[in-house]
This record gives sequence, structure tokens and C-alpha cells, in this order.
Amino acid sequence: QLQLQESGPGLVKPSETLSLTCTVSGGSISSSSYYWGWIRQPPGKGLEWIGSIYYSGSTYYNPSLKSRVTISVDTSKNQFSLKLSSVTAADTAVYYCARQGGRAIFGVVTDWGQGTLVTVSS
Amino acid sequence: DIQMTQSPSSLSASVGDRVTITCRASQGISNYLAWYQQKPGKVPKLLIYAASTLQSGVPSRFSGSGSGTDFTLTISSLQPEDVATYYCQKYNSAPPQFTFGPGTKVDIK
Repeated sequence: QLQLQESGPGLVKPSETLSLTCTVSGGSISSSSYYWGWIRQPPGKGLEWIGSIYYSGSTYYNPSLKSRVTISVDTSKNQFSLKLSSVTAADTAVYYCARQGGRAIFGVVTDWGQGTLVTVSS
Repeated sequence: DIQMTQSPSSLSASVGDRVTITCRASQGISNYLAWYQQKPGKVPKLLIYAASTLQSGVPSRFSGSGSGTDFTLTISSLQPEDVATYYCQKYNSAPPQFTFGPGTKVDIK
């Protein structure tokens, strides 16, 4: 059974870079059928898609975050990562890593990690 | 950019009631619309994709319909375990932008 696990600091200072890694188990990140994404949810608010990556390294970002986001993949470790620069308190959220469908369901989130709360505060 | 809206933002209904949630896209998105359920304190769960295709394991009281710009999620007989926030999401767009709607919170009256 596929499992996704986020890891990284739970507290980041304003203006610094938020870095998270998602470790995939029970499946290969190199599968041609899927994309891998990051989604966040500020406390008490809705879901926001951050971006997605294919195992080949092709990336797609939310235009509202594109200037600050980098998503990368490490197929040798079955991991993908998120970097969000110049964070502010508005970036405080639960960050989910996710598996997304390809082809006809390109972007549908079929599997979610448990989520990790990242707080931006000095 | 295509924007997604949902109505109502919240609703309260009795057990056994038929509940309908609407999702609207600012431009046509064919049937590239998914619905998710997020129970309090839990991870979201995929309910429906392609506007009306039920994900495996999802109870048949959930159904979806629509195409183009207007979509609905219907719970035919509301159950206590359906208390959750429901989100729509557009997908398979060019360029890829997988925007979620703002959510509809469903409570039991």
C-alpha cells in the first residue's frame, strides 16, 4: 500500500526558506502513471495546490507561488522535495505531499500524506 | 486563470436529507472536475473524478454531475459520518493548474 510521509522543520523564520521532503513507500516514484505534488492548507482555511512534478523532473507550479517555489525529485531515494523561499506568516499551513494521477486524470489527488504543520514565526 | 467557486459555503441538514453542493468554474472545464471530502482533523479523501465517476470504495449515496462550468455533488441520504468539508478541484488543464474550490462545510442539524 502506498504511503507518503512529509518531513522537515515545523518552524521557519520569516524571510527564510521552507524545505520539506516527501518519502514515498509502497510504490515507485518513477512510475510513468503518476505525478507527485504539494498542497497546503492554512489553519481553518481551504486547500491550495502548490505544484507538481513528474519523475523526469518536469514541474508545474501555482502561478501565485511560482516565483518562490522549487519542487525537485530524487528517484534514487524515492523522494520529492519542496522549497518555498522568502516565507511570511501567510505561509503558515499544513503541507501535504500527494500522488496525483496522470493522463486523463492528470492532477487528481489519489493519495495524500498525513500532512505536516509548518509555522512561520521568529 | 480559471476560478472555482462553491455554494453554499456551509449547510446544516438532518440525517436522511438529500444534500446538494454546487461548484462553478469561471470558464468551461469539460468534465475535469473532482470532489474531495475532508472530515474534521483528517486528510482529504477523493470521492469523485471526471465529474461523476465514483472513486473505489466511496458509498453510493454520493454522486456527481455536470459539465462545462456547473457541477453538483449530491449526498442522497445524509449520514452522521458525512460531516465534513467538501472541496471541488479542476484538473487536466493547459497549462496545468489544479485549483481547488473554497469548500462547503456540511453539518448535521
